[in-house]
Amino acid sequence: EAQVTQNPRYLITVTGKKLTVTCSQNMNHEYMSWYRQDPGLGLRQIYYSMNVEVTDKGDVPEGYKVSRKEKRNFPLILESPSPNQTSLYFCASSPRGKNTEAFFGQGTRLTVV
Amino acid sequence: GNSVTQMEGPVTLSEEAFLTINCTYTATGYPSLFWYVQYPGEGLQLLLKATKADDKGSNKGFEATYRKETTSFHLEKGSVQVSDSAVYFCALSEGGNKLVFGAGTILRVKS
Repeated sequence: EAQVTQNPRYLITVTGKKLTVTCSQNMNHEYMSWYRQDPGLGLRQIYYSMNVEVTDKGDVPEGYKVSRKEKRNFPLILESPSPNQTSLYFCASSPRGKNTEAFFGQGTRLTVV
Repeated sequence: GNSVTQMEGPVTLSEEAFLTINCTYTATGYPSLFWYVQYPGEGLQLLLKATKADDKGSNKGFEATYRKETTSFHLEKGSVQVSDSAVYFCALSEGGNKLVFGAGTILRVKS
């Protein structure tokens, strides 16, 4: 089954404790991205990757890191989480191109206390 | 920059009512337009799309027409069901894969 898998689904952590949210897709898509969803703001792009070893900042990259060592994986790293990073996070993948459909993971709800 | 504006929700309707969710956009070029739907506890999934002016996207009884003159892409359905209760996001893509989303509209359908 074609899918994007994120882990964990739920995470509560403390300020400053490094964490990683994993994302994996099995569709051989070139393009992957991370979004955060906040009430009233919709989804905002954090980082994206056009292919292996090619990553770039989205609209709200501060406080986040990513890597793309393999085509299927695109982890999101919070080196020192802060409460303002409490949010619902989505990973998405799509084939390269303007009108292609993006496939989303089920989301990771992160709470930083 | 590019942006998408959706009507605020929540929208509450009775089953079999007519649905309209308004969406307007601002873009420098000629974007592709999308509606994504998010059911409770799930990720977003593509509902329909339109890639050029006057195109109509349709799926599962939902329709939206790309109106360049009014920069709009309103979502409509003639008769909603309880199972349509979800959050609906309008989005645009202008070059490449990046999506710009609206704030989302919560739809609640009562039986």
